[in-house]
Amino acid sequence: AQSVTQPDIHITVSEGASLELRCNYSYGATPYLFWYVQSPGQGLQLLLKYFSGDTLVQGIKGFEAEFKRSQSSFNLRKPSVHWSDAAEYFCAVGGNSGYALNFGKGTSLLVTP
Amino acid sequence: EPEVTQTPSHQVTQMGQEVILRCVPISNHLYFYWYRQILGQKVEFLVSFYNNEISEKSEIFDDQFSVERPDGSNFTLKIRSTKLEDSAMYFCASRATREGEQFFGPGTRLTVL
Repeated sequence: AQSVTQPDIHITVSEGASLELRCNYSYGATPYLFWYVQSPGQGLQLLLKYFSGDTLVQGIKGFEAEFKRSQSSFNLRKPSVHWSDAAEYFCAVGGNSGYALNFGKGTSLLVTP
Repeated sequence: EPEVTQTPSHQVTQMGQEVILRCVPISNHLYFYWYRQILGQKVEFLVSFYNNEISEKSEIFDDQFSVERPDGSNFTLKIRSTKLEDSAMYFCASRATREGEQFFGPGTRLTVL
């Protein structure tokens, strides 16, 4: 069965510092992987996705993620965090396109001045 | 920019009452989804809907739940007899194609007293 683990419930970084949010997945075949962001009172916005091909994917707002099959990971990174990046971040896996998404529990990002 | 909308933003109901949560997916989208997020927990898939029928549902989606697309624009989730544990944020999502991005609405917070 599919599962997603986000080991960090909360992360605090200083504005301008680099960021890495961890995501590990469990899935028998090649997964479809996603990162979503949720600001307070807002819906879930897609940051980036991996279906196949280049394992380093670029997303919106300066985010990128790297798919590492050997580690079953899909960590999200940003070289320099902005205060507006403070939000909840969710990693998700989908078996095949069109199927439902299986989400991790989320990581809450706090950005300090 | 087209977006998924949901009404109401917050619904309070008494245990045992029926509630209907409403969603207006993006107009040219064909695949529709409901997810829920209990406070402090991960986003969980409930049901997917395509071509006027349920295409997939989770264990959570029992006989108390139903979905409908009553007209060309709305997509509803009905909970027949609410329980305390149905209190959660309910998200609607839609996508244009099987390979497309799922666009999420802002959610309806359901509180069952």
